[in-house]
Amino acid sequence: AIQMTQSPSSLSASVGDRVTITCRASQGIRNELGWYQQKPGKAPKLLIYAASTLQSGVPSRFSGSGSGTDFTLTISSLQPEDFATYYCLQDYNYPRTFGQGTKLEIK
Amino acid sequence: EVQLVESGGGLVQPGGSLRLSCGASGFTFSNYWMIWVRQAPGKGLEWVSNIRQDGSQKYYVDSVKGRFTISRDNAKNSLYLQMNSLRAEDTAVYYCVRDPDYSDSSGYYDAFDMWGQGTMVTVSS
Repeated sequence: AIQMTQSPSSLSASVGDRVTITCRASQGIRNELGWYQQKPGKAPKLLIYAASTLQSGVPSRFSGSGSGTDFTLTISSLQPEDFATYYCLQDYNYPRTFGQGTKLEIK
Repeated sequence: EVQLVESGGGLVQPGGSLRLSCGASGFTFSNYWMIWVRQAPGKGLEWVSNIRQDGSQKYYVDSVKGRFTISRDNAKNSLYLQMNSLRAEDTAVYYCVRDPDYSDSSGYYDAFDMWGQGTMVTVSS
């Protein structure tokens, strides 16, 4: 199975900060990657698919980039509602695999 | 209302069985791949299984192969997960998820755009 490694595992930041989360695949996955946001006690929410396509209704401060093995999720200006855990997910092959998550906390 | 509602979770002894159900409403269920994703307490997300729109293709994570079976009934707008030979490590919240399987000139992309609220499965003696 393809291993997805996110960094950092946790991150403290302030409202208004620019934040970048990285996801690395153990082998090339083209652009077949999505990003999800999960808040405590809630189901995850789709942010981005195909590495850089913003899901309808998701604020434009979220962006994704990358191809091959290295991917990034960027939040251009953190808002209070963005403090959550973020996961990447590869859909290049089976079984699909998630990264371990990045917990974004308020500084 | 557009939603997915899971049911069937609960407490079961190791080696036991459980059948999860997911009812879909507000959209054309038969147009979507459907997925089960689970999350152990305090842990990350794990993709478990998916099934094609017509049920002709099914995939599983290795840890559940031979024990879990995914199925669907498009006439009833329902997704199922039959779980047998349950183990303590299967303890998790199980989410039912919809995937429109977006495509472009380069290929197809998973996009889990709708999730149920989850149902808790606890495997313990």
